[in-house]
Amino acid sequence: DSGVTQTPKHLITATGQRVTLRCSPRSGDLSVYWYQQSLDQGLQFLIQYYNGEERAKGNILERFSAQQFPDLHSELNLSSLELGDSALYFCASSGPGQGATGELFFGEGSRLTVL
Amino acid sequence: AQSVAQPEDQVNVAEGNPLTVKCTYSVSGNPYLFWYVQYPNRGLQFLLKYITGDNLVKGSYGFEAEFNKSQTSFHLKKPSALVSDSALYFCAVRDSGNNRLAFGKGNQVVVIP
Repeated sequence: DSGVTQTPKHLITATGQRVTLRCSPRSGDLSVYWYQQSLDQGLQFLIQYYNGEERAKGNILERFSAQQFPDLHSELNLSSLELGDSALYFCASSGPGQGATGELFFGEGSRLTVL
Repeated sequence: AQSVAQPEDQVNVAEGNPLTVKCTYSVSGNPYLFWYVQYPNRGLQFLLKYITGDNLVKGSYGFEAEFNKSQTSFHLKKPSALVSDSALYFCAVRDSGNNRLAFGKGNQVVVIP
């Protein structure tokens, strides 16, 4: 158990809909990362937050947005969903002061299926 | 931007034989290198990392990796593979200039009993 909690584990929805994925980092971790894993694209970095502020942005679509709240949990919002958004979405956290040398601790993921 | 390449899609190895999973990287600054393992329907688990120092890094479950700066490689190794090592293995790199961790496409390892 990594200590990172993601909900929901599975989600099935229709095209055009909006969903919210939730992540609670390990106790004490200030950084939260979001990754998308799909068969054709592999593991793609979406966005990183550090103590409530956006720190780095990757291949995140404009239809997607995220935020980190004062209690350090994070939410990834996916809107106007398309079939191609079906993927496994991972949240990860890293410890305070770790910076670039720290390993990430991953949650179990949220599997999104868009029909 | 930093990147990693894992040239093989799948690695098959007999149980008890040595296991090697290859990884090469590209960064502009000093590389920080990581290996993760993913079992079916699970999140990624950290195995080991190279930050600085000894080129041979030892990690979890008997795995080790060798950093080779001249060849820009960071191959994962295990002297004697177990059936339970069958999983998806990811190499990842971060350069010293930012926190973004870039992953390779992953290698499926199949250990044959």
